[in-house]
Amino acid sequence: NAGVTQTPKFQVLKTGQSMTLQCAQDMNHEYMSWYRQDPGMGLRLIHYSVGAGITDQGEVPNGYNVSRSTTEDFPLRLLSAAPSQTSVYFCASSYAGGMNTEAFFGQGTRLTVV
Amino acid sequence: GQQVMQIPQYQHVQEGEDFTTYCNSSTTLSNIQWYKQRPGGHPVFLIQLVKSGEVKKQKRLTFQFGEAKKNSSLHITATQTTDVGTYFCAGYNNYGQNFVFGPGTRLSVLP
Repeated sequence: NAGVTQTPKFQVLKTGQSMTLQCAQDMNHEYMSWYRQDPGMGLRLIHYSVGAGITDQGEVPNGYNVSRSTTEDFPLRLLSAAPSQTSVYFCASSYAGGMNTEAFFGQGTRLTVV
Repeated sequence: GQQVMQIPQYQHVQEGEDFTTYCNSSTTLSNIQWYKQRPGGHPVFLIQLVKSGEVKKQKRLTFQFGEAKKNSSLHITATQTTDVGTYFCAGYNNYGQNFVFGPGTRLSVLP
């Protein structure tokens, strides 16, 4: 049972480059989300999706795009990487986004933008 | 918007000592969750509290939800080195569709 799988685990980008962080879950969860984790700031929500074809912005969406074409996959795109996007990124999924649903997190992607 | 604060930011304890972290929300919460993140790892769900004044225990861990549903605490009795990590609370209110995470409390346990 894989749970939530993120790739890559580590990535170094140059300023201005674009890339996609992959996230896949095999638990048939409707709700998926992307967080970034910076020292002393906890987990901040970037984008989320309540089901295939539906996405919405979180607390810090600027510079990131998402799409949800299938229930399983929720990729995060960095359009033009900036040093401020250096962070650890976590994808999470849960049965539903509302109450009474625990979130399952992927292993994380450590991104450095130089 | 909703804000969730946690204190302390860091806590160093000797193995066997107790530890408590506090979580406070700027708004009344529908429920609150607690997660643990080991160094280099990812957050792992510990528990969810829903009712006002609710207290739940998991072995040496005691979780409490405040009467006003704006604060919560996690208490660990007789810490062990396996308790090392960052503990996050995440609050959910009826106005949003997501949990808002606190900044976390990083616990170090000295053997």
